[in-house]
Amino acid sequence: RKEVEQDPGPFNVPEGATVAFNCTYSNSASQSFFWYRQDCRKEPKLLMSVYSSGNEDGRFTAQLNRASQYISLLIRDSKLSDSATYLCVAFAVDTGRRALTFGSGTRLQVQP
Amino acid sequence: NAGVTQTPKFQVLKTGQSMTLQCAQDMNHNSMYWYRQDPGMGLRLIYYSASEGTTDKGEVPNGYNVSRLNKREFSLRLESAAPSQTSVYFCASSVQGVNTEAFFGQGTRLTVV
Repeated sequence: RKEVEQDPGPFNVPEGATVAFNCTYSNSASQSFFWYRQDCRKEPKLLMSVYSSGNEDGRFTAQLNRASQYISLLIRDSKLSDSATYLCVAFAVDTGRRALTFGSGTRLQVQP
Repeated sequence: NAGVTQTPKFQVLKTGQSMTLQCAQDMNHNSMYWYRQDPGMGLRLIYYSASEGTTDKGEVPNGYNVSRLNKREFSLRLESAAPSQTSVYFCASSVQGVNTEAFFGQGTRLTVV
């Protein structure tokens, strides 16, 4: 089982729609969580960190549920420019390894 | 603002050939990483260096070696390339550990034939 699992999609939504992605993680020692965005054939870039209390950045809202070990990303009023792959990322310090673990990504296609 | 620079951007190797992927960052970051990305697999950690002078294995280290040459540079070497190493390789760096943002290079597309 992968440490971080995501629905690969694609999610095809019309402009202006609200879309939500979920991600589950299996390592209960995970301490920090992030959403990265990756455009086609480009490098990943940080979209936002995910805090226990939930956090919002403009049209984007991230939530963390430690009890159920899942993270969510909500995008409101989708734009064409939101089309990308969204990577769920967890950081855990265990077995001496201190590095980010990435999910396989969820592809979003926003259509006009 | 160069950020993280990787070279080369593209490479085709024959099975058994060796090569070194170069990575340099100009952000004075302590930690550097090498990931590979394959379709459906996401990014998988090959090796990382928490600070200058240290390197550690990640999830998929077999067939690779690394060198943290100095604080700026972290290279990845394939001693005897295999078709299974066909992938996109990303170098990344962060200030300290990974509770902070990781910045990625543009990637190296490697094909082993």
